[in-house]
This record gives sequence, structure tokens and C-alpha cells, in this order.
Amino acid sequence: GAVVSQHPSWVICKSGTSVKIECRSLDFQATTMFWYRQFPKQSLMLMATSNEGSKATYEQGVEKDKFLINHASLTLSTLTVTSAHPEDSSFYICSAGGRLAVGETQYFGPGTRLLVL
Amino acid sequence: QKEVEQNSGPLSVPEGAIASLNCTYSDRVSQSFFWYRQYSGKSPELIMSIYSNGDKEDGRFTAQLNKASQYVSLLIRDSQPSDSATYLCAVMTFMDSNYQLIWGAGTKLIIKP
Repeated sequence: GAVVSQHPSWVICKSGTSVKIECRSLDFQATTMFWYRQFPKQSLMLMATSNEGSKATYEQGVEKDKFLINHASLTLSTLTVTSAHPEDSSFYICSAGGRLAVGETQYFGPGTRLLVL
Repeated sequence: QKEVEQNSGPLSVPEGAIASLNCTYSDRVSQSFFWYRQYSGKSPELIMSIYSNGDKEDGRFTAQLNKASQYVSLLIRDSQPSDSATYLCAVMTFMDSNYQLIWGAGTKLIIKP
């Protein structure tokens, strides 16, 4: 299957700082990347969908000015959590898909754990 | 609102038995269906996909699709403790001029030794 990497896998930061998370598709071109957040013992929550070269589409309730997404190439998307606060502590997971069509699906990165002190 | 429903569980199954996980979806025209497994603290991994009515087998896993009744299920034969995880059902649907995956909330499966 397709391989998606994320970096870093763990990050601990002070409240008020910004954190950047990278998501890369290693062996395929991802026209679409998705960013999810998962709190302990809860379901995956889609935060935003990004298409290469265009602005991300955010889900209702997700602040686009706080969670900045850049999808500059077909293999790289970044999520920047700006001015992070303790309530932003969560497991952030990206997934990547080719041109979503019948038969294709999303492949997940290993996730990034963010702890804001 | 297009939805995918799963029983949250936990579903407890003895080791060696068959675990049966079910999922229903609301969009009649959905064409692609996926099962993901998520271990605690890890990201989801794709384990099965199914596109046609009937059964699809892969090792100990069998996916079953019934488009008329709008349900998809996953059977795990000879369940092992390592199968204990949350199983997510995902359905591909066409929405807002795009294909999108709609996710169920997941069923927690516990295999008891």
C-alpha cells in the first residue's frame, strides 16, 4: 500500500508557541490530503481537506486562522497550529489520497502527538 | 446529511471465535466501502475494501456488502487477542462535487484470551 509519513511524531511545546507538522506521501502523488484530530477515547474528527495548489477547506467549527494548512506540492502538506494552548493537545493525523474516485481511498500517516504545556 | 453508523461497542469475543462488525450507511449511491483498524494510540490502517455485493475474503477477514440493505460488515475468523482494536467503517460518497470518505465512529473490539 501507499506510504505516508508524518514529522514530528511527538512534540511538546509551551503555550503560545506555534507548531508545524509535516505530512508526506512517499511513493505516490497525493492530490488531496486530509488532516484529522483525535482526542483520547474519541473518534477521528476531520479538520480540513486540502488540494494541491489551492486553499484548504475547513470543517465547521475549525478555526482556519489557528490551524494553517499548506499543500504546496503533490507530496507535502503542512499543518501549523498557531499560538497553541493546552486544549490543542491532541493526536493529529494526516491522510493522503490520490484523485479520489471509485476504488481509491485514503492512507494514513502515523500521527503526531502534540502536548501543549 | 450522509451518515455512516456503527455500534460503538465494546464488542467482546472469545479467542478463536468469529467477530462480526456491522456498519450501515445512508447514501444509496455509495460505491466504495472500506474497513480500517486502529490500535490504541496509533493511526488507522486499511485492512479491507469492497465494491460489489457479496463477500470478499482476505485471510481471516471477510467483508460483506449488501447495497440493497445499505450495510457492510466485517467478519474476523479465529479471533486473536491481537485483533483487539477499534474498527472504522468508511464509505465513499459523492458530495459537494467531490468524492469524500464518510467515517463511522468505530466499534471497539475486545478479544478475550
